[in-house]
Amino acid sequence: GAGVSQSPSNKVTEKGKDVELRCDPISGHTALYWYRQSLGQGLEFLIYFQGNSAPDKSGLPSDRFSAERTGGSVSTLTIQRTQQEDSAVYLCASSLRGGLSPSVQFFGPGTRLTVL
Amino acid sequence: GNSVTQMEGPVTLSEEAFLTINCTYTATGYPSLFWYVQYPGEGLQLLLKATKADDKGSNKGFEATYRKETTSFHLEKGSVQVSDSAVYFCALSTDTGNQFYFGTGTSLTVIP
Repeated sequence: GAGVSQSPSNKVTEKGKDVELRCDPISGHTALYWYRQSLGQGLEFLIYFQGNSAPDKSGLPSDRFSAERTGGSVSTLTIQRTQQEDSAVYLCASSLRGGLSPSVQFFGPGTRLTVL
Repeated sequence: GNSVTQMEGPVTLSEEAFLTINCTYTATGYPSLFWYVQYPGEGLQLLLKATKADDKGSNKGFEATYRKETTSFHLEKGSVQVSDSAVYFCALSTDTGNQFYFGTGTSLTVIP
């Protein structure tokens, strides 16, 4: 596709369940970022992938959060044992490159997660 | 640490008014600075950027100048239009490029 896509667009789950959020970056983009946007808050950086390098996980809020990127393309963000405070919009962005000269990020439409 | 602080909204202006949205930052090293915009019902998109001190980013009539001495990157537009109604986010990327830090966003509504 022409842009970053994310699925599902909306996810409602019960407290304690696991959820998986998917991101398809723009083809050829080596850098991929996950963010969380909570109501009334700015974007909170979660994790960054650059090519085949080990990801920068420094923004993950707890060990219930994990992410992987298969084949340098699609990424999945997994939240285990969801809590109500995990409710937010999860945004994915990709860019041609990261590192010392980051290029412009292109954002997906986000996944709105609601934990009941 | 790294952080971005931008003026709280919401901001409501009449068409053709002058706009300033303040943004200040704290960063180690030499960050790049960005303004992103989120129009109603759409995803975030880059509005403008500046990668070094004294650079001026500009796009769609918006401007922002990277001021290292005041650690600021204020967004300005001389004459806003109704179509500028959106949420504006100031952001920085660290000089390692790995991480981006965003402000909380400022909602702008322009009324005819």
